[in-house]
Amino acid sequence: DAGVTQSPTHLIKTRGQQVTLRCSPKSGHDTVSWYQQALGQGPQFIFQYYEEEERQRGNFPDRFSGHQFPNYSSELNVNALLLGDSALYLCASSLAGGAPYEQYFGPGTRLTVT
Amino acid sequence: QQQVKQSPQSLIVQKGGISIINCAYENTAFDYFPWYQQFPGKGPALLIAIRPDVSEKKEGRFTISFNKSAKQFSLHIMDSQPGDSATYFCAASIESNTGKLIFGQGTTLQVKP
Repeated sequence: DAGVTQSPTHLIKTRGQQVTLRCSPKSGHDTVSWYQQALGQGPQFIFQYYEEEERQRGNFPDRFSGHQFPNYSSELNVNALLLGDSALYLCASSLAGGAPYEQYFGPGTRLTVT
Repeated sequence: QQQVKQSPQSLIVQKGGISIINCAYENTAFDYFPWYQQFPGKGPALLIAIRPDVSEKKEGRFTISFNKSAKQFSLHIMDSQPGDSATYFCAASIESNTGKLIFGQGTTLQVKP
């Protein structure tokens, strides 16, 4: 049973650039949430996608956007990168209406902005 | 009101001892409280979870104790092992909502052999 997968594993970008991160949910899951985890901190909720629409959004600027595809995979896009965007970006999948909101995390993408 | 406060920030326990991590919350609408374990370079892994209608839940060496009136919950790791050395996060969410998780700040546990 494939778990949550994310790509790439690591990424180095320059301030002002744009980045796209990818996530494939656990088999059977239809909902994808994205979290940002700064070093030494707990993950912070960015947004959640279900049925190809953004269902809820955390306190992140519009530079952060996403997309969900018909196969439930998802992308996180960040525009105009800032040094403060350096973090581990985590994707979590769950099943809407399933075992209540049990979310399973991928290994994350480590983004470094220089 | 959305915060979850976790303590201690770090914890050192001898092998075989009991590790205890505490969390407190303000939002009484929270109705799902999971604990996650995270190893360096890995994503958080769901360890155990509880709902407020239950005061205690045990899975193997891991036990969650829940005090609804105090708005506190804690993770107990019995017979702690060096392999338990990791960062632990408590979290909370509202089941009727999207299940967006609000995480505590994390506790780094070191179990000495």
